[in-house]
Amino acid sequence: ELKVEQNPLFLSMQEGKNYTIYCNYSTTSDRLYWYRQDPGKSLESLFVLLSNGAVKQEGRLMASLDTKARLSTLHITAAVHDLSATYFCAVPILRTTGANSKLTFGKGITLSVRP
Amino acid sequence: DTGVSQNPRHKITKRGQNVTFRCDPISEHNRLYWYRQTLGQGPEFLTYFQNEAQLEKSRLLSDRFSAERPKGSFSTLEIQRTEQGDSAMYLCASSLIRNTEAFFGQGTRLTVV
Repeated sequence: ELKVEQNPLFLSMQEGKNYTIYCNYSTTSDRLYWYRQDPGKSLESLFVLLSNGAVKQEGRLMASLDTKARLSTLHITAAVHDLSATYFCAVPILRTTGANSKLTFGKGITLSVRP
Repeated sequence: DTGVSQNPRHKITKRGQNVTFRCDPISEHNRLYWYRQTLGQGPEFLTYFQNEAQLEKSRLLSDRFSAERPKGSFSTLEIQRTEQGDSAMYLCASSLIRNTEAFFGQGTRLTVV
């Protein structure tokens, strides 16, 4: 059974500082997704990481994937209040057919940016 | 609006009643997924369809839950004899067959009282 773990589960960040959060998973997969969720809202797709060594950047966020270590990191540069939200990583089970499959999500990491 | 649409957005029901939710996926998306999210947790997979065929159901989906996608377009999720433990956000997502990126709707928040 695929398990996805995120840590820490809660992170209080100081405005302007850099932080890294982590997502690791238990079985082979060649891709990983990061989503953002604001309170009471649905999930917004942030990053699609499709191969080992993939790195994507959007604004102050940068995500990377190491499929050999089964680890993804999300790096936050110079945190700002707008980044306060819960961030989920999600992993599909690798299928030899190449067809997609359901996503298994981590519990999410809640980021709170304080002045 | 070309995103995934879910209705209703909120539903409050008495224990024991039946409820039905609707999801309209992004047009041309073959895959449609239902997830359930409880407070403080990530979404948990319930079931998915490829076109009109229901291809997988989670063990979470008890016999009180049924989902359909009769013409391969919109889908409905019905919960019979609701229980308080069914209170959650029910999320629908859609994707293309060979693209695992799933796009989520706004969700239906169910409260069973």
